[in-house]
Amino acid sequence: AQSVTQLDSQVPVFEEAPVELRCNYSSSVSVYLFWYVQYPNQGLQLLLKYLSGSTLVKGINGFEAEFNKSQTSFHLRKPSVHISDTAEYFCAVSEGDMGRRALTFGSGTRLQVQP
Amino acid sequence: DTGVSQDPRHKITKRGQNVTFRCDPISEHNRLYWYRQTLGQGPEFLTYFQNEAQLEKSRLLSDRFSAERPKGSFSTLEIQRTEQGDSAMYLCASSLLTGVSYNEQFFGPGTRLTVL
Repeated sequence: AQSVTQLDSQVPVFEEAPVELRCNYSSSVSVYLFWYVQYPNQGLQLLLKYLSGSTLVKGINGFEAEFNKSQTSFHLRKPSVHISDTAEYFCAVSEGDMGRRALTFGSGTRLQVQP
Repeated sequence: DTGVSQDPRHKITKRGQNVTFRCDPISEHNRLYWYRQTLGQGPEFLTYFQNEAQLEKSRLLSDRFSAERPKGSFSTLEIQRTEQGDSAMYLCASSLLTGVSYNEQFFGPGTRLTVL
């Protein structure tokens, strides 16, 4: 069975500083990997996804993530954060099959950007 | 707005009452998923439909929960005899399964249920 671990429940950071949100997964088969963002009282918005190919994936709002198969990790990074990036971030995995399967989410990381 | 919509956005009920939530997926999306998100946790899969057929149910979906998608368009999730542990955000997502490439799930804003 697949699972996702987000190692940090909260990450405080100052505006314009770089940030990395960590995500590790476990699965016995090939996977698709995702990062979603959730703003207060809103649904989930897809930031980026890894399906295949280049291990460095670029997403919206200046975020990027790197898939590392040997480390079973998919860490999210941004070189310079803004106050508006304050939100909850979820890493998710889906086991192959072209997206037919449901997503398995981590417990989330709250990014708090301070002025 | 052509995104996934959910109604109501908020529901407060007393323990033991029945509640029903509605999800309207993106038009022509054939897959519809329900997830539950409790405070401080990520969403957890409940069930999904391919058109009107319910193909998979999670162990989280107890006998008190029932979901339908009668005409392959909107879906309802009913909880009977609500318990305080049912308090959560219920999220709906839809996707268009083509079998050719990956099919992204698009999420609605959720229905927040509070059971007193």
